[in-house]
Amino acid sequence: NAGVTQTPKFQVLKTGQSMTLQCAQDMNHEYMSWYRQDPGMGLRLIHYSVGAGITDQGEVPNGYNVSRSTTEDFPLRLLSAAPSQTSVYFCASSYSIRGDQPQHFGDGTRLSIL
Amino acid sequence: GQQVMQIPQYQHVQEGEDFTTYCNSSTTLSNIQWYKQRPGGHPVFLIQLVKSGEVKKQKRLTFQFGEAKKNSSLHITATQTTDVGTYFCAGNQAGTALIFGKGTTLSVSS
Repeated sequence: NAGVTQTPKFQVLKTGQSMTLQCAQDMNHEYMSWYRQDPGMGLRLIHYSVGAGITDQGEVPNGYNVSRSTTEDFPLRLLSAAPSQTSVYFCASSYSIRGDQPQHFGDGTRLSIL
Repeated sequence: GQQVMQIPQYQHVQEGEDFTTYCNSSTTLSNIQWYKQRPGGHPVFLIQLVKSGEVKKQKRLTFQFGEAKKNSSLHITATQTTDVGTYFCAGNQAGTALIFGKGTTLSVSS
């Protein structure tokens, strides 16, 4: 199994550009989430989904959109990139939201906004 | 909202010394999970604790969940250079999303 696959691994954008970070999992997990990781800030939850067609906001949702049209895919969209969105982005999935199942993380996307 | 606080932020030890990181929540948790992230890598699940007062061991690692289910700790006995990385706790209330602490970064010198 591939697990959780994130693309691209690296990306440089200019301020104001938009882009989509891709996340796909092949484990038939219902729960998927996006985190950003910044030095000294840990992993902060951006958006999450408990199943196809259902999404909700996390701790830091502003400037990001998500959708969940299939169980496998959970893309994260930056609407108008800002330097404050420079970060490492991790997608994660698990069987359930209850927290009693381990989260499986992708390798991350390292995003720089100039 | 739910907050998960973790201390210390950084810890440096000599190889062979012990290490402990602490996790505290502002609310009662359904369960707590621990993850390890090696430098340049992604978080990897270590263990989860569910019951009040639960203690679990994995070789040199000991995990505890507090009686009130609001705090947890990870203790590493006789650290090795392979223990280097950032250790995160993560918890949630029933039916809510998993919230991570800021992590403790461990460095080990030989």
